[in-house]
Amino acid sequence: KNQVEQSPQSLIILEGKNCTLQCNYTVSPFSNLRWYKQDTGRGPVSLTIMTFSENTKSNGRYTATLDADTKQSSLHITASQLSDSASYICVVSGPGGGNKLTFGTGTQLKVEL
Amino acid sequence: GAGVSQSPSNKVTEKGKDVELRCDPISGHTALYWYRQSLGQGLEFLIYFQGNSAPDKSGLPSDRFSAERTGGSVSTLTIQRTQQEDSAVYLCASSRGPQGGNEQFFGPGTRLTVL
Repeated sequence: KNQVEQSPQSLIILEGKNCTLQCNYTVSPFSNLRWYKQDTGRGPVSLTIMTFSENTKSNGRYTATLDADTKQSSLHITASQLSDSASYICVVSGPGGGNKLTFGTGTQLKVEL
Repeated sequence: GAGVSQSPSNKVTEKGKDVELRCDPISGHTALYWYRQSLGQGLEFLIYFQGNSAPDKSGLPSDRFSAERTGGSVSTLTIQRTQQEDSAVYLCASSRGPQGGNEQFFGPGTRLTVL
């Protein structure tokens, strides 16, 4: 069973609309949770990183939330742009904390005109 | 360089051949990681280097896989006697240090296709 599960698997939205991507994890213990954006044919690029004590972190139009009690995180994208089309990957540092990362399979987002 | 670089960007090989994948981390980054991304799967951790030593190689799927790092910089991932199931994108990342809070910067990956 994947320790980091994301939903939906894929999503299509119109340009300018908002969307929210979900991440549930069972990795324990964990030290931080990250959201990465991966364009096709490129390596993942970090959007946000939150420790277990943080509830929310913003990076421009991207806002991540974290509920460490329920082990859930979300990534909200506002006023979507065509360039937001990519895979969004939830990544948990652990098990055991430190540098070992456990990756979700990602949500494939497509923004259309 | 400005970022993590990997070469080659694409590699097509025949089953049974050996391949070498190269990673150049960001200058000054002591930690280096190798991951594998198979179609429809999340990134899978392979091995982690701190300097030239590999304190965690638990993700290497078989003894056909090995990696080394020299001079605390360039790393090479070697796959011997490649199999079709080795086909994947191999990603390298580096970070300033091994602590969990350090951001990992990824290279563009090497797409390996085993025929």
